[in-house]
Amino acid sequence: DAGVTQSPTHLIKTRGQQVTLRCSPKSGHDTVSWYQQALGQGPQFIFQYYEEEERQRGNFPDRFSGHQFPNYSSELNVNALLLGDSALYLCASSPLQGMGQYFGPGTRLTVT
Amino acid sequence: EDQVTQSPEALRLQEGESSSLNCSYTVSGLRGLFWYRQDPGKGPEFLFTLYSAGEEKEKERLKATLTKKESFLHITAPKPEDSATYLCAVQAAGGSYIPTFGRGTSLIVHP
Repeated sequence: DAGVTQSPTHLIKTRGQQVTLRCSPKSGHDTVSWYQQALGQGPQFIFQYYEEEERQRGNFPDRFSGHQFPNYSSELNVNALLLGDSALYLCASSPLQGMGQYFGPGTRLTVT
Repeated sequence: EDQVTQSPEALRLQEGESSSLNCSYTVSGLRGLFWYRQDPGKGPEFLFTLYSAGEEKEKERLKATLTKKESFLHITAPKPEDSATYLCAVQAAGGSYIPTFGRGTSLIVHP
């Protein structure tokens, strides 16, 4: 049983560019959440997708957007990258309203 | 607003030296409390879910306990491979199902 997968593993971008990160949830899970984790901090919730719709959103600007596909996989898009967007981006999946989330390995984004 | 505070921020132990990590929380009705282990540069690995005060769960050298205000992660006779950051998160009852995370405790176990 494959767990949560994310791609790419690492990414280096320049300020002002746009980036797309991808996530495939654990088998049997239909809800995908995205988190940003800065060094030495806990994960910060960006948004959650279910049935191809954004259900909840954390305190992140509109530069952060997402999408969920019919097969439950998801993308995170960040426009107009800032240096402060450098972080580990985590995808987590769960059954809807289920207890506990399973995380992917993360994508390390570096903005120069 | 839900809050999670973990202490200490960092902990250094000798192999075999047992200790406990603390997670204090403030939430308007607890739906669940979660413990995760995170290795550097990796995603958090799910360890335990606790639902109500008095509940305990064990896995190898780890034991998690829960009261109405805090949770402890007890590490018995730790080994160097237990070195990692341990994250605590709470999920409130009703409304949002989004967990709130603490900043974690960085554990280093020296051989």
